[in-house]
Amino acid sequence: KQEVTQIPAALSVPEGENLVLNCSFTDSAIYNLQWFRQDPGKGLTSLLLIQSSQREQTSGRLNASLDKSSGRSTLYIAASQPGDSATYLCAVNDYKLSFGAGTTVTVRA
Amino acid sequence: NAGVTQTPKFRVLKTGQSMTLLCAQDMNHEYMYWYRQDPGMGLRLIHYSVGEGTTAKGEVPDGYNVSRLKKQNFLLGLESAAPSQTSVYFCASKSAGGGSYEQYFGPGTRLTVT
Repeated sequence: KQEVTQIPAALSVPEGENLVLNCSFTDSAIYNLQWFRQDPGKGLTSLLLIQSSQREQTSGRLNASLDKSSGRSTLYIAASQPGDSATYLCAVNDYKLSFGAGTTVTVRA
Repeated sequence: NAGVTQTPKFRVLKTGQSMTLLCAQDMNHEYMYWYRQDPGMGLRLIHYSVGEGTTAKGEVPDGYNVSRLKKQNFLLGLESAAPSQTSVYFCASKSAGGGSYEQYFGPGTRLTVT
């Protein structure tokens, strides 16, 4: 059974600092890994999808890396802004999506 | 584009009542999924479907039934609601053709069982 862990569970940083969010998974036989953003009381917004053959994926200030052999992915958010405050979820896709519990980020102005 | 829509957005049920949640997608996706999200936890898969007329159990299927009579719709039923089923329910869909495609999520249904 795939287990997905996100550490830390919560993170508070001052505006402008770079964010580093970690995701680990137990079974490396995956198709891809997705990072999502979830605002309070809202649905999921897909941020980045990394295929199993890729090492990283970038979109604007966001960069996600994937190391299948070690079962790890990291989401970097450069120059954080208060609008980046949200919960970030990673999900591993083997035949279905297995989600971590998320990291709740607060960016202080 | 509508994408994935869910009906209703909110619902309050008494213990023992039944209800059906509707998920609809207009992207001609083969695969559809129902998840639940509880506080402090990630989403957990309830049931899924890989095509019209097919369904399969996910991680937490007990107390739920599903049907996929039309390709664009995936229904989640609660026959006798329990307080443990208080949760936020998300539907998702995905194109077929391999596991590499991403899932698209609906806005969620907040269900409270009293």
